[in-house]
Amino acid sequence: NAGVTQTPKFQVLKTGQSMTLQCAQDMNHNSMYWYRQDPGMGLRLIYYSASEGTTDKGEVPNGYNVSRLNKREFSLRLESAAPSQTSVYFCASSGTGGAHQETQYFGPGTRLLVL
Amino acid sequence: AQSVTQLGSHVSVSEGALVLLRCNYSSSVPPYLFWYVQYPNQGLQLLLKYTTGATLVKGINGFEAEFKKSETSFHLTKPSAHMSDAAEYFCAVRQTSYDKVIFGPGTSLSVIP
Repeated sequence: NAGVTQTPKFQVLKTGQSMTLQCAQDMNHNSMYWYRQDPGMGLRLIYYSASEGTTDKGEVPNGYNVSRLNKREFSLRLESAAPSQTSVYFCASSGTGGAHQETQYFGPGTRLLVL
Repeated sequence: AQSVTQLGSHVSVSEGALVLLRCNYSSSVPPYLFWYVQYPNQGLQLLLKYTTGATLVKGINGFEAEFKKSETSFHLTKPSAHMSDAAEYFCAVRQTSYDKVIFGPGTSLSVIP
């Protein structure tokens, strides 16, 4: 099992450019999440999707959009990148029901630098 | 609103010494509690979690944590630190009726030979 995969691993953007971060999970999980990690601030939730076809804002949604394409895939889009969006982005998923319903499984992260 | 505080953004211990990482939370209902570990340039992985039942929870790599409702704490301990324990540790809380998990700011653990 690959678990949670993210692409790309690294990206450099210029201010105003757009890009989409891709995330996929092969664990048949219902819930998927996008976080950003900044030094000294832990992980902050950007958006989440409790099930296929639904998405909700998290703590820091401004400047981002998401798409839950199907049960496996959850993408994060930056329409017009800003230097404040320089961060490490993590995708995660969690199941419902059973022993692992509360555990989140994380991808390896995408490092984004906006110049 | 839920919140998580971790006392000490950086903790250093000698190899073989006790590891104690502190976590306090605020929640209006008994929560689910988690400790995650992040090794350099990697994603987070679950160390242990408390949902219901026994308040002393054992996790991977010799770590354990105790849920103390009266103190709203969930401190992480390990009797003897190993060099491989050097990492960032995150405490997290989730209310049972929601999907969202709130993470603390993290504690960076250094192990001195």
